[in-house]
Amino acid sequence: AQKVTQAQTEISVVEKEDVTLDCVYETRDTTYYLFWYKQPPSGELVFLIRRNSFDEQNEISGRYSWNFQKSTSSFNFTITASQVVDSAVYFCALSEPGSNTGKLIFGQGTTLQVKP
Amino acid sequence: DAGVTQSPTHLIKTRGQQVTLRCSPKSGHDTVSWYQQALGQGPQFIFQYYEEEERQRGNFPDRFSGHQFPNYSSELNVNALLLGDSALYLCASSLAVDGTETQYFGPGTRLLVL
Repeated sequence: AQKVTQAQTEISVVEKEDVTLDCVYETRDTTYYLFWYKQPPSGELVFLIRRNSFDEQNEISGRYSWNFQKSTSSFNFTITASQVVDSAVYFCALSEPGSNTGKLIFGQGTTLQVKP
Repeated sequence: DAGVTQSPTHLIKTRGQQVTLRCSPKSGHDTVSWYQQALGQGPQFIFQYYEEEERQRGNFPDRFSGHQFPNYSSELNVNALLLGDSALYLCASSLAVDGTETQYFGPGTRLLVL
């Protein structure tokens, strides 16, 4: 069965620290997509990144970077020089393999608190 | 470029009542998915609508039903509300190509069942 695990329930850092959010996934399919979403207190899920299973290149977008390793079924997210505005719940998600609908399977989320 | 919109933002109902939540997709999108997010949990897929039909359904009872209109907007209906239906209901829109398109979410409707 498909599953996403975010083992870190809560992380607290001080502003300007680097922080890595872990995501481990399970799937039997060879073609799949992985996502990260940010959920601020307002509740809306904000799309951050999508990665397909054939592209293992790491990606950097400003202070955000993602490390995808198929060998360990992990898709980790690092925020460099964290800021108070980064405080939110972050979700890792897997699109259901073989599904024409792109149904998303979410992890439990990691709450990140960045203190000034 | 208008994003996904949902209404109402908050709703309070009592057990046994019925509720209707509404969603307008992002401009250019034709597919709407609904998710339920209980407090402290990740969102759970309810169902998806495309071409006014339900394409896929998650593990939710028949009390949860939906509809999609010709303008691609959608409604989620929940009958015979239970206390456990209290949650944030999120709508997401996408393009129905082959399931590989990114889903973009609205701000959600917070439902409280008393």
